[in-house]
Amino acid sequence: GAVVSQHPSRVICKSGTSVKIECRSLDFQATTMFWYRQFPKQSLMLMATSNEGSKATYEQGVEKDKFLINHASLTLSTLTVTSAHPEDSSFYICSARGDRGRTQYFGPGTRLTVL
Amino acid sequence: GESVGLHLPTLSVQEGDNSIINCAYSNSASDYFIWYKQESGKGPQFIIDIRSNMDKRQGQRVTVLLNKTVKHLSLQIAATQPGDSAVYFCAETSFNDKVIFGPGTSLSVIP
Repeated sequence: GAVVSQHPSRVICKSGTSVKIECRSLDFQATTMFWYRQFPKQSLMLMATSNEGSKATYEQGVEKDKFLINHASLTLSTLTVTSAHPEDSSFYICSARGDRGRTQYFGPGTRLTVL
Repeated sequence: GESVGLHLPTLSVQEGDNSIINCAYSNSASDYFIWYKQESGKGPQFIIDIRSNMDKRQGQRVTVLLNKTVKHLSLQIAATQPGDSAVYFCAETSFNDKVIFGPGTSLSVIP
């Protein structure tokens, strides 16, 4: 099956710093990647959708200047949380979809803790 | 982003029994539905999907039922095992390809 990886799996940072999370599709080309945020005991909330080579589409209420998304290649998308604050602490999950079918394959998630 | 609900319903079943997890979806235009399993600290794992032109689909030990009239989806797990303990999410998508997740159900299997 399709495999999606994320790096790092866990990150702890100080308030005010920026953190970059990578999402890679390992065995397929991901024309579209999605970024989700999940708080404890809650569902996944879509933050943005990115297509390779174009600007990401952000969901309502998600600050695009705070959550920078770059989908530079068909196998890599990055999410940068800029000037992170404690309220940004969450579980960030990416998913990827190829150009065939509609199934999204999810990465293992990145646990971000901002002190 | 969109999501529905903030509190996880829970379901406890005895090992070996069948489990039925229900989901009400919101968009009548949705035409593709997926069930995901999420274990603690991990990303969602695809279980089974169904298109809107079907009302039933079976996989290994799992069956998904779709009732478009009442916008209801269910996941049936046969002979539930301890390894099935997890949070299960239904997800819906339509022409704009935005996937909306339901609130999730926490399944606990009693040995």
